[in-house]
Amino acid sequence: ETGVTQSPTHLIKTRGQQVTLRCSSQSGHNTVSWYQQALGQGPQFIFQYYREEENGRGNFPPRFSGLQFPNYSSELNVNALELDDSALYLCASSKGGQGGTEAFFGQGTRLTVV
Amino acid sequence: QKEVEQDPGPLSVPEGAIVSLNCTYSNSAFQYFMWYRQYSRKGPELLMYTYSSGNKEDGRFTAQVDKSSKYISLFIRDSQPSDSATYLCAMSLYGAGNMLTFGGGTRLMVKP
Repeated sequence: ETGVTQSPTHLIKTRGQQVTLRCSSQSGHNTVSWYQQALGQGPQFIFQYYREEENGRGNFPPRFSGLQFPNYSSELNVNALELDDSALYLCASSKGGQGGTEAFFGQGTRLTVV
Repeated sequence: QKEVEQDPGPLSVPEGAIVSLNCTYSNSAFQYFMWYRQYSRKGPELLMYTYSSGNKEDGRFTAQVDKSSKYISLFIRDSQPSDSATYLCAMSLYGAGNMLTFGGGTRLMVKP
């Protein structure tokens, strides 16, 4: 059974650019959530996808968007990058949508915006 | 005021000590309570998951939830240097893996 994997591990972008982060969910899991973790803070929920549909969103602007594919892998897209977007982006997978199983996290993608 | 509050530490204890980590929260609708451990530059690792009130034990770890006081705790017995990490509490209305609200984390250092 493979765990949650994220790519890339690190990347550096310039303010105003766009970025795409990728996540492969754990085998058997159909729900993917994305979180942003600023340095020294706890993760903050961005949004969640269940069976290719967004079914929950945190307090993030529309320039944060996502996709989930038929194999339940997922992408997080951020447009018009700002310096404050510099953070560790975490993907978590679980099974069953609402009321489902515990979430397991990937190792994260560290994004630096300069 | 944050929805979930957690003392950031750092908390420094000698090896073998009993560690108590705590979170308070404001939303009485939370039903699912989780504790994660996060090593530096790694993703969070699930330690314990509790539904509603009560206690749960797993090896050296015990989780307690007191919904009447909106207070949750994680106890670590016989702490080891390998327990040195940041401990995050997380809560949800919808499910153990759904739309988690995290505390800010407590950094724990266990000294040999």
